[in-house]
Amino acid sequence: DAKTTQPTSMDCAEGRAANLPCNHSTISGNEYVYWYRQIHSQGPQYIIHGLKNNETNEMASLIITEDRKSSTLILPHATLRDTAVYYCIVRVPLDNFNKFYFGSGTKLNVKP
Amino acid sequence: NAGVTQTPKFRILKIGQSMTLQCTQDMNHNYMYWYRQDPGMGLKLIYYSVGAGITDKGEVPNGYNVSRSTTEDFPLRLELAAPSQTSVYFCASRGQGGEQYFGPGTRLTVT
Repeated sequence: DAKTTQPTSMDCAEGRAANLPCNHSTISGNEYVYWYRQIHSQGPQYIIHGLKNNETNEMASLIITEDRKSSTLILPHATLRDTAVYYCIVRVPLDNFNKFYFGSGTKLNVKP
Repeated sequence: NAGVTQTPKFRILKIGQSMTLQCTQDMNHNYMYWYRQDPGMGLKLIYYSVGAGITDKGEVPNGYNVSRSTTEDFPLRLELAAPSQTSVYFCASRGQGGEQYFGPGTRLTVT
C-alpha cells in the first residue's frame, strides 16, 4: 500500500469548514483513498473513500486531485465533536490481507 | 443496525489466565478482523476471516486464537495471558467498498 503524509495537527473554529490534506504521491492506479477518524479511546470510524472522482456523503466531502497524488477531506461545518485524529489511508479495497497501516494521522482541534 | 459490538468493554486479567473477547456484527459482512492498538500507536492485525469457517493469521497472531462458526460472530481467545497483551482490542467488519466498520473496543490489562 502507498504511504501517506499528513500534517501532525490542525486547528479549526467551530462552524467553519475543516480542510484536511493528505499527500499520496506513490499511489497506484487501483488504490483507493480512504479516510477514517478516531475520537479518543473509541474505535476508528469510517468517513469516506474514493478512487478519482470527488465524493460526498452525510459526513464529509473528499476532493482528489486530477493526478491523484493528493486529496483533501472537507468537514463542511466542524463541531466540537469532530475533534479527533484523522487518518488518510491508500490501499486496494478488496485485498485479502488487510494490513491496515494507520500512520500518525492529523489531530484536528475544533475550537469554540 | 447495531453495527459491530464487542464485549466486555474492560477486563483485568492475571498472568496465565485465559479469556474470550466477543465480537458480533449484524451487517452480514463476510470479512471480519481483530486488531490491537497499543498507546499512541496504529492498529496491528491479529487475525482475520473471509467467511464462516475460514480464518487466517495477521501480523501478530502469537498468543491468540480465533474461530468463525457463523457470519455474525468472530470471538478472539487469549489462552495464557501475558503483560505484553495489555492493549485495546478492536474488532471490525468490511463492507462492499472495502471500508471497515469498527467496534467500540475492549480495553485489556494483564498484571
